[in-house]
Amino acid sequence: DTGVSQDPRHKITKRGQNVTFRCDPISEHNRLYWYRQTLGQGPEFLTYFQNEAQLEKSRLLSDRFSAERPKGSFSTLEIQRTEQGDSAMYLCASSLRGSGGFEQYFGPGTRLTVT
Amino acid sequence: QQQVKQSPQSLIVQKGGISIINCAYENTAFDYFPWYQQFPGKGPALLIAIRPDVSEKKEGRFTISFNKSAKQFSLHIMDSQPGDSATYFCAASALTSGSRLTFGEGTQLTVNP
Repeated sequence: DTGVSQDPRHKITKRGQNVTFRCDPISEHNRLYWYRQTLGQGPEFLTYFQNEAQLEKSRLLSDRFSAERPKGSFSTLEIQRTEQGDSAMYLCASSLRGSGGFEQYFGPGTRLTVT
Repeated sequence: QQQVKQSPQSLIVQKGGISIINCAYENTAFDYFPWYQQFPGKGPALLIAIRPDVSEKKEGRFTISFNKSAKQFSLHIMDSQPGDSATYFCAASALTSGSRLTFGEGTQLTVNP
């Protein structure tokens, strides 16, 4: 399977704990996006990388959130001091900028539950 | 500010019927309009997408109609099947500014056998 993969698929944590999610994009894709989706809503943009550079962050991304993409390959999203409002599905997508490619392909998501 | 408005919120169609979902956008910088299909517990899957230089695009049973002057676009699913029952999201992005997607609120489609 050469699609976008995310790990873990589910995470249950207590309020105040730190959590980290991983995303592995489609291998040749140079752009990687993080979105958050709450129940019954469409995904909302959090941040994106082109190669290893983080080019844009949404105002939804508070100081407790940090994302990295070392060496332009996989990416991690860390949430520090989790709050119940952080409970959501965290989605990763990748795309290939250039060559006319605009499509973003999503992974299966990581479902976070903060108790 | 909700930049992409989607309707209806839910839709029930009989097998073999046509499902129609509509979206309207506000940002005139948007120049790429995809539709995604999402099943429960899964990530969104890209169905079909259109750029504003064409008014219609068809792929199999799925057609996007695009009206640039009205800033509206719609998804038509012909010969709807029970397996099409899912949540559908329209989205829009401006390719010159990072291509981040702005999604509509979603439409829960149920196709009855």
